[in-house]
Amino acid sequence: GAGVSQSPSNKVTEKGKDVELRCDPISGHTALYWYRQRLGQGLEFLIYFQGNSAPDKSGLPSDRFSAERTGESVSTLTIQRTQQEDSAVYLCASSPTSGPSGANVLTFGAGSRLTVL
Amino acid sequence: AQKVTQAQTEISVVEKEDVTLDCVYETRDTTYYLFWYKQPPSGELVFLIRRNSFDEQNEISGRYSWNFQKSTSSFNFTITASQVVDSAVYFCALRNIKAAGNKLTFGGGTRVLVKP
Repeated sequence: GAGVSQSPSNKVTEKGKDVELRCDPISGHTALYWYRQRLGQGLEFLIYFQGNSAPDKSGLPSDRFSAERTGESVSTLTIQRTQQEDSAVYLCASSPTSGPSGANVLTFGAGSRLTVL
Repeated sequence: AQKVTQAQTEISVVEKEDVTLDCVYETRDTTYYLFWYKQPPSGELVFLIRRNSFDEQNEISGRYSWNFQKSTSSFNFTITASQVVDSAVYFCALRNIKAAGNKLTFGGGTRVLVKP
């Protein structure tokens, strides 16, 4: 697609429920990233995919968080047994490659706003 | 470990004033990239500039300019003659070239409010 697409744009859920957030990266982008942005704060790295493998999961805050990616396409971030502190905007980004140069620019989606009541 | 600090949480200016956003970073690596992103009220981050650690040449692009000083680990950003449309949150970010995962580490952001 033309840009990074995320769905849903807004999700309100009750504490204890599971949620799935979806990211469609730009076609041909092999690298995909998930970030979390709490209200009024910066971006926290969650996980990075190169293709469908996840070399870096260091940012996932707990075992309630997981993510998967199908090939070099869609990724799903799943939060189980949601807690109020999970309320945030979850941002997805993709880039052409995540090779050694480090120069690649990340293109971000508009985010999925999660509110846990 | 790497860290990016944006000490200014919010800056308010009147249209046509200049505004400078500070960014200080910490890294043990000698090769890295620095970025600035803009996040308008719509929420989608927009890439503004990338600079590698070997290139300390400052850059001007229209009303935007950047001052990279490796000696002080700073990568400051100036908007000249600000406009209301510049109102947004601006993020500075760092990526170490050798870092596993090639992840971007972001600062906390500086909210810029340009009043008419």
